[in-house]
Formats: sequence, structure tokens, C-alpha cells
Amino acid sequence: QQQVKQSPQSLIVQKGGIPIINCAYENTAFDYFPWYQQFPGKGPALLIAIRPDVSEKKEGRFTISFNKSAKQFSLHIMDSQPGDSATYFCAASKSVNQAGTALIFGKGTTLSVSS
Amino acid sequence: NAGVTQTPKFQVLKTGQSMTLQCAQDMNHNSMYWYRQDPGMGLRLIYYSASEGTTDKGEVPNGYNVSRLNKREFSLRLESAAPSQTSVYFCASSVVQGSYEQYFGPGTRLTVT
Repeated sequence: QQQVKQSPQSLIVQKGGIPIINCAYENTAFDYFPWYQQFPGKGPALLIAIRPDVSEKKEGRFTISFNKSAKQFSLHIMDSQPGDSATYFCAASKSVNQAGTALIFGKGTTLSVSS
Repeated sequence: NAGVTQTPKFQVLKTGQSMTLQCAQDMNHNSMYWYRQDPGMGLRLIYYSASEGTTDKGEVPNGYNVSRLNKREFSLRLESAAPSQTSVYFCASSVVQGSYEQYFGPGTRLTVT
């Protein structure tokens, strides 16, 4: 079963716009919620991550908003640029060294920023 | 410091052929992972190795085997390739199993005809 649901599947915005990607999770045992960025032909790379006891985290133009009661979190990209065009994956992780699958990924959102 | 390296970058197999995908990391990480990425399916875990000497099944292990050769290397073997195994395969590593911070290799694009 899919434990992390991501939407939308694809997103097109103009340069300077603020794309928002949403994720929802089911398992309350998750304790970190990272976002990964993947450019065409490359492997995913960690972009930013948040703990569930924090409601917002900013790193440069990237912001994660977290709603623990709703079990939802989202990625906002301020002043988006064509270089932000990539596929973005949300994920959820269980505690370090806990047995079983460590990182559960959403299905990804392909973002295209037009100039 | 090369990070995570994978070979080959591209491979075409015929149905029934076998092959091994190689992965190595130079970050002294304990845990390593194999994922497959298919359009609209995200990243799905095939197998992982929490530490040297251990391997465990992930979400989609059928048709694959793995070997944790040493702390640096983790290989994925397809014994009898099927068209359903056409995919992009990524190897990743992390300091410890369960860490949200994983480092990915550049991927291997495999086509099975």
C-alpha cells in the first residue's frame, strides 16, 4: 500500500511563480520528512527535510510546511527559476536503525518552470 | 571523493539473460540500497543492506538477488531478465539504516527486450 501520497503529478509555472507540491502520509511512526530533487539523467539528491515537531522550515527559496494533525506536508518554491525544473519527491522515514524499510517515497512531481 | 558510483550506465538485455549491476560508495557508509524508478511509480526499494554482512528485501524484491560484497560494494543481480524489469536502477547509501539522508548514484538504465 502507498504510505505517502504526492500531488500533483506534474506542474507548470512561470518564472517567479510559487509552485506548491503536497504530500500526505498515514503512518504516525514516521519521524523525518525529506524532499528530494532529481534532474533529468541524474540520481535524486536531498533538498530539505523537516521533523514532525516543526511546522515550517526554510532553506533559501525552498520551504516545507508541516501539518501534523492533518498528516500533510508541502514544499513551496519561492521565486521559481527555470533551473528549478526537475522532479521532486517527498518521502518519510522511520527511526534510525529500526528494522524494515527506512525511506518511503511519494510518486514524484515533475515541475517545469517556463521563462 | 566520487560518492556513489554505478556501472554500467546503460544496458540492453534479451529476455532470459542475466546480468549484475555494480554499486560502490566511498563515504564509509554502513547502509546501502537498490531502488528502481518507473514512470509514475516513484522510487521503489528492491533490497537493502543495513550493514556489511546483512541484506533484506524491500518492496519489490521478486526477480532480483543482491550481494553486499564488503562495506563499499553492493551488487544487484538479475538471474533471468524479463521485460517487466525494464527500468532505471539507482543505488544509494546512508550513514546508518533508517537515515532520511541517502546519497544516490547516477543510475543504470536497463532495457529488456
